[in-house]
Amino acid sequence: DTAVSQTPKYLVTQMGNDKSIKCEQNLGHDTMYWYKQDSKKFLKIMFSYNNKELIINETVPNRFSPKSPDKAHLNLHINSLELGDSAVYFCASSLRRPQDYNEQFFGPGTRLTVL
Amino acid sequence: GQQVMQIPQYQHVQEGEDFTTYCNSSTTLSNIQWYKQRPGGHPVFLIQLVKSGEVKKQKRLTFQFGEAKKNSSLHITATQTTDVGTYFCAGADNYGQNFVFGPGTRLSVLP
Repeated sequence: DTAVSQTPKYLVTQMGNDKSIKCEQNLGHDTMYWYKQDSKKFLKIMFSYNNKELIINETVPNRFSPKSPDKAHLNLHINSLELGDSAVYFCASSLRRPQDYNEQFFGPGTRLTVL
Repeated sequence: GQQVMQIPQYQHVQEGEDFTTYCNSSTTLSNIQWYKQRPGGHPVFLIQLVKSGEVKKQKRLTFQFGEAKKNSSLHITATQTTDVGTYFCAGADNYGQNFVFGPGTRLSVLP
């Protein structure tokens, strides 16, 4: 069984569209994350939730909205997609919060291409 | 805000040579983690260091955490082609409000 899964794996869409990426973890972890990895491979944290509570909310456009219906799921909705949103988006989870002993498990990534 | 830098950005080595990447934070960290990402893959956790001055070894990999908890290093002895990938350090501040990945060091190993 995959520990952290993301869907879809690839997403190609037109500018201006709205899209969602889903993430699920079956590890029983309390904390989940969304990262964006750009073409230069920089990994930037976007959001983090702990038991459905938003604990890290980096400066990202408010077109990006995370939703955590339960602690096993963290979805990312993106409105009005722009060319600069093209990247690989990784979901991750960890047992506890970032400042604690905290191995993060990453999903396989979703490659988003905005045309 | 918290910044984490890594040097070098790229490193090309001949198989069998040693490799070191250095990580520096602008602020004191509660812990530092190291991840490896193979080309086309996702980051995979290698290790976490928590204590000031801590040194940990995993086979050919040696990790150090600085005394001031602001810097760290990863040293690979006698590199192999399986070591190819990007090595990231990442750290959290003491409040968990910030968690930042370094820009990574991309390692190429020539057979």
